[in-house]
Amino acid sequence: GQNIDQPTEMTATEGAIVQINCTYQTSGFNGLFWYQQHAGEAPTFLSYNVLDGLEEKGRFSSFLSRSKGYSYLLLKELQMKDSASYLCAVMDSNYQLIWGAGTKLIIKP
Amino acid sequence: GAVVSQHPSWVICKSGTSVKIECRSLDFQATTMFWYRQFPKQSLMLMATSNEGSKATYEQGVEKDKFLINHASLTLSTLTVTSAHPEDSSFYICSARFDTHTEAFFGQGTRLTVV
Repeated sequence: GQNIDQPTEMTATEGAIVQINCTYQTSGFNGLFWYQQHAGEAPTFLSYNVLDGLEEKGRFSSFLSRSKGYSYLLLKELQMKDSASYLCAVMDSNYQLIWGAGTKLIIKP
Repeated sequence: GAVVSQHPSWVICKSGTSVKIECRSLDFQATTMFWYRQFPKQSLMLMATSNEGSKATYEQGVEKDKFLINHASLTLSTLTVTSAHPEDSSFYICSARFDTHTEAFFGQGTRLTVV
């Protein structure tokens, strides 16, 4: 079967750095996405990785290792507004998005 | 990023009535649109995938006669919840993408409450 694993909840301090991990087992791979979802709102796109390595975009970076079936989202200089759920999604061989359950990130002052 | 508009943002309806939710891609042509539902504190659950001009592909366990999906144009898809019941109360979200190699953009979501 297809499976995406990510921690249910993480807590971090304002101004610090946090890494949210995602491991996956899917039938084929056509890219991995990270989305941010604030409570009661729809997800918003953060990043897309299809090749191994690190993609940096401002305070957010996303890393992918296809051989390990592993990705992480790195958030630097955390702000209170970063409190949200972070969803990892993998596009399989049929170009369908397989979603993780999301990681709820709690930022404390 | 691209804009996907979903309407209405919230709706309250009586049990037994039908509700239509619209999803529009405002600045791109969406070859594929997806409909999700999300219960509180749970992840997105894909209900169906629709391609313009063809019948929607429903996920296992989703009743196609209850959740009618129409993707009549490259910029509009609709989801109609027929004969709604309180257990249909949920957050419904659509997303759209230009092609298979691009990210999906989400509408704002529709919070449906059936009383």
